[in-house]
Amino acid sequence: DAGVTQSPTHLIKTRGQQVTLRCSPISGHKSVSWYQQVLGQGPQFIFQYYEKEERGRGNFPDRFSARQFPNYSSELNVNALLLGDSALYLCASSYTGTGGYNEQFFGPGTRLTVL
Amino acid sequence: GENVEQHPSTLSVQEGDSAVIKCTYSDSASNYFPWYKQELGKRPQLIIDIRSNVGEKKDQRIAVTLNKTAKHFSLHITETQPEDSAVYFCAAGGSSNTGKLIFGQGTTLQVKP
Repeated sequence: DAGVTQSPTHLIKTRGQQVTLRCSPISGHKSVSWYQQVLGQGPQFIFQYYEKEERGRGNFPDRFSARQFPNYSSELNVNALLLGDSALYLCASSYTGTGGYNEQFFGPGTRLTVL
Repeated sequence: GENVEQHPSTLSVQEGDSAVIKCTYSDSASNYFPWYKQELGKRPQLIIDIRSNVGEKKDQRIAVTLNKTAKHFSLHITETQPEDSAVYFCAAGGSSNTGKLIFGQGTTLQVKP
């Protein structure tokens, strides 16, 4: 039984470039959330998608965008990269998107380094 | 705004002792409180969670308590072992109709053999 998968594992980009990160949720899960984890801090919520619709957005600039596909996989896009975007990007999978049942399971993350 | 405060930031205990990590949340509408363990270079792993309709939950050596009036919740690990050494994060969620979790800053637990 596969858990949450993310690709790529590591990524190095330069300032101003664009990046796309990918996530596949646990089979049967319909919700994907994206978090940014800067070294030494807790994860910060970026987006949640449920049934291909955005359910929540954190306090991140418009350079960050995401989408969810019919198979419930998701992509996170970041444009015009800044040095401060360097972080571990985590994807979390849950069965539903509602507040009453939101046990979330994390993927291994994508380590993004912006030079 | 929404906030979760976590203390202490570091905790060092002897093997076999107990460890307690405390969190306070600001959004009184929060109703779901998970705890994650993150080892170096690994993903956060859900170790226990509690919902607002109960005050305590146990799973072997770990337990979580919730005081909704005071907006406090705590993680208790008994009979600590070296493999418990990791960073522990508390989180609060469920206040909106989303899966958004607000995380604490993390506690680095070191269990000395």
